[in-house]
Amino acid sequence: NAGVTQTPKFRILKIGQSMTLQCTQDMNHNYMYWYRQDPGMGLKLIYYSVGAGITDKGEVPNGYNVSRSTTEDFPLRLELAAPSQTSVYFCASSYARPQVTSTDTQYFGPGTRLTVL
Amino acid sequence: AQTVTQSQPEMSVQEAETVTLSCTYDTSESDYYLFWYKQPPSRQMILVIRQEAYKQQNATENRFSVNFQKAAKSFSLKISDSQLGDAAMYFCAYSGGGADGLTFGKGTHLIIQP
Repeated sequence: NAGVTQTPKFRILKIGQSMTLQCTQDMNHNYMYWYRQDPGMGLKLIYYSVGAGITDKGEVPNGYNVSRSTTEDFPLRLELAAPSQTSVYFCASSYARPQVTSTDTQYFGPGTRLTVL
Repeated sequence: AQTVTQSQPEMSVQEAETVTLSCTYDTSESDYYLFWYKQPPSRQMILVIRQEAYKQQNATENRFSVNFQKAAKSFSLKISDSQLGDAAMYFCAYSGGGADGLTFGKGTHLIIQP
């Protein structure tokens, strides 16, 4: 298993440009997440998904969009890049057992370092 | 909203000695989950240890153990026999269960002195 993979590893954008960060997991996890990590800070939740076709906002969703058309993929879209979106972006996934209020461990991808100039 | 506080921005320890990293959290829930993640310079987030709040026994994983004090809302990580490979940022994280993601502290930078 490759686990959680993210592409690209690095990207530089100009203000106003758009891009999609890709995330794929091969562990058949139903839950997927996007976080951002600003310098000297912990991770903050942008969006999450509990299954294909279902997404919801996290703590810092402004400026981002997501979709979940398959169990494996959870892309993050930046429509109009701004310098405030310069950060490291992490995708994560976990498995939650149906009808059980619990949480399993989240497994993280290697991250994408995005710079907006 | 839940909050996680790590009051030690940086800690330093001699190789082979023991170090304890502190974490406190705030929640009104009775069932929840706590985690310690390690982030080396590669940026990869690596799970170190996990604790379920309903379990009274402290979790251990080889040289890593926690001191979970539910009433005090404290969740410290003890690293025994510190090794050079333990040098990293360590993040404490909280989950209320379900799908609402993790709440992270700001991290503690652990330095291992040879």
